[in-house]
Amino acid sequence: QQQVKQSPQSLIVQKGGISIINCAYENTAFDYFPWYQQFPGKGPALLIAIRPDVSEKKEGRFTISFNKSAKQFSLHIMDSQPGDSATYFCAANSKQGAQKLVFGQGTRLTINP
Amino acid sequence: EAQVTQNPRYLITVTGKKLTVTCSQNMNHEYMSWYRQDPGLGLRQIYYSMNVEVTDKGDVPEGYKVSRKEKRNFPLILESPSPNQTSLYFCASSPSEGELNQPQHFGDGTRLSIL
Repeated sequence: QQQVKQSPQSLIVQKGGISIINCAYENTAFDYFPWYQQFPGKGPALLIAIRPDVSEKKEGRFTISFNKSAKQFSLHIMDSQPGDSATYFCAANSKQGAQKLVFGQGTRLTINP
Repeated sequence: EAQVTQNPRYLITVTGKKLTVTCSQNMNHEYMSWYRQDPGLGLRQIYYSMNVEVTDKGDVPEGYKVSRKEKRNFPLILESPSPNQTSLYFCASSPSEGELNQPQHFGDGTRLSIL
């Protein structure tokens, strides 16, 4: 049972376009929603994270939109660049669950020049 | 440099031959975890440790053991590896929560092939 469902599995975007990756969760106890970026041969690295008390968080070209009632959150990459080509994972956990971080299935993003 | 170090990075072995993947962090983090990454499934937690001598099962613990005798080290042990444990493994660490959840720092992974 996948507690965090991520889509699409793969995504191709032209340089300068907007990349959008969506995630949905089931556990209402989740209170921390990070996004990780992974390059080939490397481990995931934290990109941006949000807590459910806000509906949006922006850091540079990266924005998380959060819809608590729908139990959905998404990552938007504005002005996508070839260097953004990587695999992206959404994740979630709760303070009650300590470090039981639950990941989505991952999205392989390719930015064409 | 703050880092999580895993060894080996690559290993091909045979069914039933015990192996250990080491993980060490130099950030004095209390929490450490092991994940396996499989295509289409994302990362799934195998075991985690909240501090020395404190470990607990994650979502897919079957066939694995861990120990946490020192704060910096968290080895993953496969007593009798099987082909379904062929995967990419990641170790991660993070500081204790305090008021808020803390991000996890990942190693660069260990690719295991069990023949």
